[in-house]
Amino acid sequence: DVKVTQSSRYLVKRTGEKVFLECVQDMDHENMFWYRQDPGLGLRLIYFSYDVKMKEKGDIPEGYSVSREKKERFSLILESASTNQTSMYLCASATGGQGTEAFFGQGTRLTVV
Amino acid sequence: GDSVTQMEGPVTLSEEAFLTINCTYTATGYPSLFWYVQYPGEGLQLLLKATKADDKGSNKGFEATYRKETTSFHLEKGSVQVSDSAVYFCARGGGSGNTGKLIFGQGTTLQVKP
Repeated sequence: DVKVTQSSRYLVKRTGEKVFLECVQDMDHENMFWYRQDPGLGLRLIYFSYDVKMKEKGDIPEGYSVSREKKERFSLILESASTNQTSMYLCASATGGQGTEAFFGQGTRLTVV
Repeated sequence: GDSVTQMEGPVTLSEEAFLTINCTYTATGYPSLFWYVQYPGEGLQLLLKATKADDKGSNKGFEATYRKETTSFHLEKGSVQVSDSAVYFCARGGGSGNTGKLIFGQGTTLQVKP
């Protein structure tokens, strides 16, 4: 089975801190994603990576950056955390192709105080 | 732009009731369509999918049919169980190139009471 693992289930950080959310997948997928989940808004794409060192902005990239130095690992970085970044963050990976399924991690609940 | 709209929740049903969760999408072309489910405290997992018009996806008693004419992909189940209580997300493939990028609806919370 495909496994997508996020490094933390819960995080509490202070305003202004630099925050790293890590995600690792074990199925050699080319494409990896970071989504943010908020009640009533569904999931919104923050960033997308289609290859090592390649990235593309999603719908809400402001305040975030990403890093993909190895194919299996995709990191989301909050350069200076703010309270409006308190949310559930979900990482996903996929191969590509018609009807390709995305596989999700268990999510990281981030609280910025 | 492209979007997905789901019926508002929460939906509360008694066990063995019939379930419908409406989903419509806007798109250029014919995207793949998906239903994902999120159980409490977990990430999303694929429930079913359809890749072309008139395809029916099915899994665990749930079904959805890709309706090109009405741009819809409604989720149905004939008899829900307490264990079906979860948040359900409708999604369509986003962008070009079939990358696995998804555009999600807002999610519908289902609560099934014994």
